[in-house]
Amino acid sequence: SQKIEQNSEALNIQEGKTATLTCNYTNYSPAYLQWYRQDPGRGPVFLLLIRENEKEKRKERLKVTFDTTLKQSLFHITASQPADSATYLCALDQAGNTPLVFGKGTRLSVIA
Amino acid sequence: DTAVSQTPKYLVTQMGNDKSIKCEQNLGHDTMYWYKQDSKKFLKIMFSYNNKELIINETVPNRFSPKSPDKAHLNLHINSLELGDSAVYFCASSPPGQGATNEKLFFGSGTQLSVL
Repeated sequence: SQKIEQNSEALNIQEGKTATLTCNYTNYSPAYLQWYRQDPGRGPVFLLLIRENEKEKRKERLKVTFDTTLKQSLFHITASQPADSATYLCALDQAGNTPLVFGKGTRLSVIA
Repeated sequence: DTAVSQTPKYLVTQMGNDKSIKCEQNLGHDTMYWYKQDSKKFLKIMFSYNNKELIINETVPNRFSPKSPDKAHLNLHINSLELGDSAVYFCASSPPGQGATNEKLFFGSGTQLSVL
């Protein structure tokens, strides 16, 4: 069966450290993978998109990797800050006329 | 100047009632969506419209009927509400793709529906 798993429901880290969130998938063949941030009571906000032929993408303190052999994406936040505390969702895009499929999300708490 | 706005923010109603949620986007996007986020936080696609035409209907019960009067609006009407319909409903839109089917989605702030 098809599955998207994000490593843990909740992740706590100290301010200034690098947060690493994992997104693993089974029985999907995504052409693209997206990461979103969701704050309580708000809709998800797009952060980064990475294509299957890209190994890595960066945006300011954010870095995403995509390994189609391992069927895994890693999402890193360097020099984390309490303001980075939120739920982070990965989403698979299989191209064609298929909808984005979202993982359940990882709730990140950055402790000062 | 909200990009994707949906109303109401909260909706509390009795089982069996009919209700509507409205969504409007001022981004000029062609594609709009309805997603449902249940209590377990899974975000699932319900419908996708492209320029007022239904593209995706993910086996949603017939009680749910989307209506797109123009490409800037996608409303969701729900008949005969059931307890299991309680969830947060998100409207979203996306620009024309440049390779990725969906490109990035712009979400509204959600409508929390509680069916009593």
